[in-house]
Formats: sequence, C-alpha cells, structure tokens
Amino acid sequence: AQSVAQPEDQVNVAEGNPLTVKCTYSVSGNPYLFWYVQYPNRGLQFLLKYITGDNLVKGSYGFEAEFNKSQTSFHLKKPSALVSDSALYFCAVRGPSGGYQKVTFGTGTKLQVIP
Amino acid sequence: DVKVTQSSRYLVKRTGEKVFLECVQDMDHENMFWYRQDPGLGLRLIYFSYDVKMKEKGDIPEGYSVSREKKERFSLILESASTNQTSMYLCASSPRTTVGFFGPGTRLTVT
Repeated sequence: AQSVAQPEDQVNVAEGNPLTVKCTYSVSGNPYLFWYVQYPNRGLQFLLKYITGDNLVKGSYGFEAEFNKSQTSFHLKKPSALVSDSALYFCAVRGPSGGYQKVTFGTGTKLQVIP
Repeated sequence: DVKVTQSSRYLVKRTGEKVFLECVQDMDHENMFWYRQDPGLGLRLIYFSYDVKMKEKGDIPEGYSVSREKKERFSLILESASTNQTSMYLCASSPRTTVGFFGPGTRLTVT
C-alpha cells in the first residue's frame, strides 16, 4: 500500500530564512507527487506537482520541491520565508496507475513563520 | 477561474439527524470527491464519483452515502449523524488524470 510521511507536525522558521517542509513516500512504480497548502478555514490550494522530468519542481508563491528517488523524498522548500506563508502544508502521492482517487495525503505540517 | 463551492462553511446538527452537504463545480470535471479532514489524520477519502450516477467507495465510507444526479453537483449524505462525524469536510473535483481542485470546506459539528 502506498503511504506518505510528514515527520514534523510543526516547523518554525524566522521570516527571511529558508524553509523546508519534509515529505517521504512509499509507492509501487514511479510516483506522482503533490504539495498543497491550506490557510486557516480554507480549502486546499495546489502548490506544485512532480510527474516526470527535472527533479527540482517550481510552483506557486515562490515554493519549489526536490524529488529524490533514492531517498524517496519530496521536500518542499522556499529560499526566504514570509509571515504570510504560515499555513498547513500537505504532501500527497499516487502511483503511476489509477486516477486522482488513488492519491494518498500526508497528515500535514503546520508552518509557522515568526516575524 | 476554477471554482468549487460548498453549500455551507459551518454546520451544527444533532445526533440522529439526516445531513446533506452539497458541492458544485463549474469546470465540467468528470471526477468529484468527498474527503474528511481530522487533525493528525490528514485527508481521508470518503467517496468519489467518476461520472453522473457513478460512485465508488473510498477509504472510510461507513455512515455516509453520496448522490450525483448532475455532472456539476456531488452531494454527501449522513443518514443518521453521529458525534464521531464531527469534522471538516472537503469536496474536490478533477479532470481524469490531473490534480484536484478543492472547495473551501464545511466544518460540521454534531452534538
């Protein structure tokens, strides 16, 4: 069975510092990987995805993620954090077959950017 | 702009009531989904639909049913609400093979 692990419930970072939100996955075959962000009392917003190609994926709001096949990781990064980046972040994965109903979500990481 | 709307942002119901949560998408997507979100558990798929009148169970369908009479509308039904169904409910839609677009969520409290 496929799975996603977000090992940190919360990440604190000072404004202006680089941030990393970690994600590791387990899936049969080549993965489809996603990051979503959820602001308070809102639905999830899509940030970026990896399907194939360049291991460094650029997404919305200055975020990027690095796919590492050997470490089965897909960490979310941003060079300089903003207070407005404070939110809940979800990593998600699915295998190469099946549609979006096969996506498995992680438990979420709360990012707190401190002014 | 892509849009998924949910009928209520906040809902309070009593144990045993029948509850309807409505979701509408304006993107002509084939697929629609209902998830529940609970702290520490992430998102869990309740049901999804890949076409009008078609539905499949997700990971946690017990206590829920769904209805999709029109392509743009997907309803989640709690036949007899219970306190353990207090949660945030998220609807999403997607074309066949790409990412989902989520609605703003309905926070349901069952007392």
